[in-house]
Amino acid sequence: ETGVTQTPRHLVMGMTNKKSLKCEQHLGHNAMYWYKQSAKKPLELMFVYNFKEQTENNSVPSRFSPECPNSSHLFLHLHTLQPEDSALYLCASRGTSGAQETQYFGPGTRLLVL
Amino acid sequence: SQQGEEDPQALSIQEGENATMNCSYKTSINNLQWYRQNSGRGLVHLILIRSNEREKHSGRLRVTLDTSKKSSSLLITASRAADTASYFCATDEGASGSRLTFGEGTQLTVNP
Repeated sequence: ETGVTQTPRHLVMGMTNKKSLKCEQHLGHNAMYWYKQSAKKPLELMFVYNFKEQTENNSVPSRFSPECPNSSHLFLHLHTLQPEDSALYLCASRGTSGAQETQYFGPGTRLLVL
Repeated sequence: SQQGEEDPQALSIQEGENATMNCSYKTSINNLQWYRQNSGRGLVHLILIRSNEREKHSGRLRVTLDTSKKSSSLLITASRAADTASYFCATDEGASGSRLTFGEGTQLTVNP
């Protein structure tokens, strides 16, 4: 395992539901990321957090709301999603001391919006 | 075309054969990384090559980088059925590691 966990692993929700995805890393990293992976498309970077501060929002619709209460936890709050939001949502973390350039990914949450 | 574009999109080989995947990119990079993803799972980092390096080895993996052609290749030697996965290249263009741009990946199938 990579040291990054995600829950739930699978989620089915209606368009009017509110749900949250959780990511936790046990690596002592200070940077965390949310990616969206849709079929036959490259990974899309959604959000980046460094030391709990959001440093990048890649033009993500407001129905996706990230939260980073501390360097070990990252949430993605979901509200009023659309069927095209169905995808695999991946969390990743990275160390920020020295030349730590690789990202460590969680197993992902498979989301289906009905 | 996109940054970090892999070729071929799909590759099917027999166990014991070598597999070569290529990646092309458009902008200047700090480094290029290869990741592997088993079906429906997260990505696992395989190897990183910096812009001033031309070749790197890790076990059965060999990565080359040609910055003049903005391309990289990943060679897996003596492939095994367990190597079946999707392989992605990712380019780091800016502040080290802060942002990676991934390609669409190559789906490798190794038949026993």
